[in-house]
Amino acid sequence: DAKTTQPNSMESNEEEPVHLPCNHSTISGTDYIHWYRQLPSQGPEYVIHGLTSNVNNRMASLAIAEDRKSSTLILHRATLRDAAVYYCIRNSGGSNYKLTFGKGTLLTVNP
Amino acid sequence: EAQVTQNPRYLITVTGKKLTVTCSQNMNHEYMSWYRQDPGLGLRQIYYSMNVEVTDKGDVPEGYKVSRKEKRNFPLILESPSPNQTSLYFCASSLWSNSPLHFGNGTRLTVT
Repeated sequence: DAKTTQPNSMESNEEEPVHLPCNHSTISGTDYIHWYRQLPSQGPEYVIHGLTSNVNNRMASLAIAEDRKSSTLILHRATLRDAAVYYCIRNSGGSNYKLTFGKGTLLTVNP
Repeated sequence: EAQVTQNPRYLITVTGKKLTVTCSQNMNHEYMSWYRQDPGLGLRQIYYSMNVEVTDKGDVPEGYKVSRKEKRNFPLILESPSPNQTSLYFCASSLWSNSPLHFGNGTRLTVT
């Protein structure tokens, strides 16, 4: 089963860090973990991805558990523009390009 | 500007009338894919393509066809649309299988 599990919703205050969890307990050794976010009336936007070690970019950080069964997207200082639905997906790549997005986490950022 | 372009943005049609939603990318990406998004169900993959003339089914392929005759284009074809295909559709492309996906702005389809 390629599905990931995320909380339906989370809430944060502006300028505070946000930790968005994702469970992918059946992940295989070669699956990448990708995160996307979607604003209303827009297509999903790439945020970050990784395989084993933690990853950082200008948008966020990705912390991957040592056993790779879970990961956490970290927004270091939430802004109002970060309010969106966040999707965590497993990407097995290669000849099997089936990507399952799931329902995502709706992040609300309070001013 | 690097982008994935879908057309049309909005489409209202009637049951059984064949339609095509176009998708084009200008990034020379190998992989392209189609998704539908429905309330409460998230995004579900319809079809994907790994290269020209190479396509495969995603999770919900019934009622849809695709073709990949050129690297940049990946049209989604509904031969005989039905009301249960009313949805928001997204096309995406990526350089390789594990590369980040670039999404289009979506096509909202209504079948009456």
